[in-house]
Amino acid sequence: KQEVTQIPAALSVPEGENLVLNCSFTDSAIYNLQWFRQDPGKGLTSLLLIQSSQREQTSGRLNASLDKSSGRSTLYIAASQPGDSATYLCAGGGTSYGKLTFGQGTILTVHP
Amino acid sequence: NAGVTQTPKFQVLKTGQSMTLQCAQDMNHNSMYWYRQDPGMGLRLIYYSASEGTTDKGEVPNGYNVSRLNKREFSLRLESAAPSQTSVYFCASRLAGVSEQFFGPGTRLTVL
Repeated sequence: KQEVTQIPAALSVPEGENLVLNCSFTDSAIYNLQWFRQDPGKGLTSLLLIQSSQREQTSGRLNASLDKSSGRSTLYIAASQPGDSATYLCAGGGTSYGKLTFGQGTILTVHP
Repeated sequence: NAGVTQTPKFQVLKTGQSMTLQCAQDMNHNSMYWYRQDPGMGLRLIYYSASEGTTDKGEVPNGYNVSRLNKREFSLRLESAAPSQTSVYFCASRLAGVSEQFFGPGTRLTVL
């Protein structure tokens, strides 16, 4: 059974700092890895999707990497802004049916 | 293009009452999913429908039933609500062959 862990549980940084959020998974036979953002009381917004055959994906200031052999994914946020404050979730897809196993998230606070 | 929509947004039930949570997507997606989100537990898959006409159990299906009414709609029913079903429920959808999942805004359910 796939288990997904996110460290740290919470992170507070000053505006402008580059930061890395970590995600680890137990089953290396992962189909894909998806990163989401969740604002308080809201739904999930997809940020990046990495297929198992890929090593990284980039969107604007965000870069996500996937290392299946070590069971790790990282989300890199460059030049953080207060608007980046949210909970970030990673989820591993184990089959072609798209079922996702979620980590518990990292609560990010970027203060001015 | 509304994406994934869910109704209602909020609901309060008494123990033993029944209700149906509605989900619809207008993206012509093949697969649809129901998750619940609880503090400290993350998001967990309740049921999913890989394609129209099929449904299957996820990680936490007990106490729930689902119906894939057509390609657009996927409903979740609580036959006899229990306080343990107090949660935030999210519906998601995905286009077959493209793994990214898109989420609705959620239904916040309280069972007294």
